[in-house]
Amino acid sequence: RKEVEQDPGPFNVPEGATVAFNCTYSNSASQSFFWYRQDCRKEPKLLMSVYSSGNEDGRFTAQLNRASQYISLLIRDSKLSDSATYLCVVPNNAGNMLTFGGGTRLMVKP
Amino acid sequence: SAVISQKPSRDICQRGTSLTIQCQVDSQVTMMFWYRQQPGQSLTLIATANQGSEATYESGFVIDKFPISRPNLTFSTLTVSNMSPEDSSIYLCSAWGGAKGENEQFFGPGTRLTVL
Repeated sequence: RKEVEQDPGPFNVPEGATVAFNCTYSNSASQSFFWYRQDCRKEPKLLMSVYSSGNEDGRFTAQLNRASQYISLLIRDSKLSDSATYLCVVPNNAGNMLTFGGGTRLMVKP
Repeated sequence: SAVISQKPSRDICQRGTSLTIQCQVDSQVTMMFWYRQQPGQSLTLIATANQGSEATYESGFVIDKFPISRPNLTFSTLTVSNMSPEDSSIYLCSAWGGAKGENEQFFGPGTRLTVL
């Protein structure tokens, strides 16, 4: 089993739709998690951190299920500008070494 | 947040040659890393650049192929040696820790390398 697994997509959704991505991780001792966003030909940038059961920031909600070892990212009211690849990231306990999932590609269409 | 620059932003090289990529951070950081991102793939950690000592390489990466320097807390270089077409990839520098971003790992814009 890979350390961090994601459905690669692509997810093709219309503007205004709600879309959710899941990510599973293998290390049950992991304490915190990140979602990074990577636009085409750009570097990854931190979107959200998840330290407990979840986190919400505007249209974005991240949830953590420790029992099942998965993290989800929910995007409500999708915008064209949300089109990107979303990377699930699991750091080590010190928070300084990251393991990346393969990424989920989202395409929001008019 | 820390700002990271990389040079060159892209290059096209002949097989058998070497390329050195520079990474500059605008503030002192605790840790610096080098990643590779092959076309359509996610990021793979090559090594952790350690100041004043040899880099720590991940499985599958060796110093002879990817020598790394980190002379101070704001600068690092990655050399891709004896290149082959399989080395065509994006190479990303990242930084963690320090005054500007203790809990977030920031990335440089990447160096897009094509080996012919």
